[in-house]
Amino acid sequence: KAGVTQTPRYLIKTRGQQVTLSCSPISGHRSVSWYQQTPGQGLQFLFEYFSETQRNKGNFPGRFSGRQFSNSRSEMNVSTLELGDSALYLCASSLEQGGSNSPLHFGNGTRLTVT
Amino acid sequence: GENVEQHPSTLSVQEGDSAVIKCTYSDSASNYFPWYKQELGKRPQLIIDIRSNVGEKKDQRIAVTLNKTAKHFSLHITETQPEDSAVYFCAAFSSGSARQLTFGSGTQLTVLP
Repeated sequence: KAGVTQTPRYLIKTRGQQVTLSCSPISGHRSVSWYQQTPGQGLQFLFEYFSETQRNKGNFPGRFSGRQFSNSRSEMNVSTLELGDSALYLCASSLEQGGSNSPLHFGNGTRLTVT
Repeated sequence: GENVEQHPSTLSVQEGDSAVIKCTYSDSASNYFPWYKQELGKRPQLIIDIRSNVGEKKDQRIAVTLNKTAKHFSLHITETQPEDSAVYFCAAFSSGSARQLTFGSGTQLTVLP
């Protein structure tokens, strides 16, 4: 069974631009969560989608948004990029919402660099 | 919302020694506590988890303990090996209104040969 796939792996953008990241979950997984990982900050929860609906949202500004399609694939968008948005963005899928009854499976992430 | 604190941030041990990483959580509604290992340049992977109705769980050289009263849980690695070197993250899932997994800030474990 294929794992969680994130594209692209690396991205370089300039301040003010917008970016879209993509995540394909493991087949059969309906929940997709997004995390931002920066050195010293661990994994910061962005949002979770389940059955095409955002079920939960972390403490990030409205510039961060996402969506989920009927095939469970998810996209995350960041508008008006700032230098502080440089990070590794990880996507994780699970069978059920929240990752409590079924573990999270992470992708390899998208490394975003904002210059 | 839930707040998870993890200590220490870095830990160095000699090969063969034991390593202990501790986490505390704030939300009494949290009922699921997984641990993830992230090797350099790789994705985080679940290594062990524990639910609130269990006090201890063991899987070969890895064990996790949970103290619900004190709201803390710990990861124990015995007979450490160089391949145990990685960043370890604890997490807590709140079954309350938030229903999300909150991660600790991570512990960089280095096993010295």
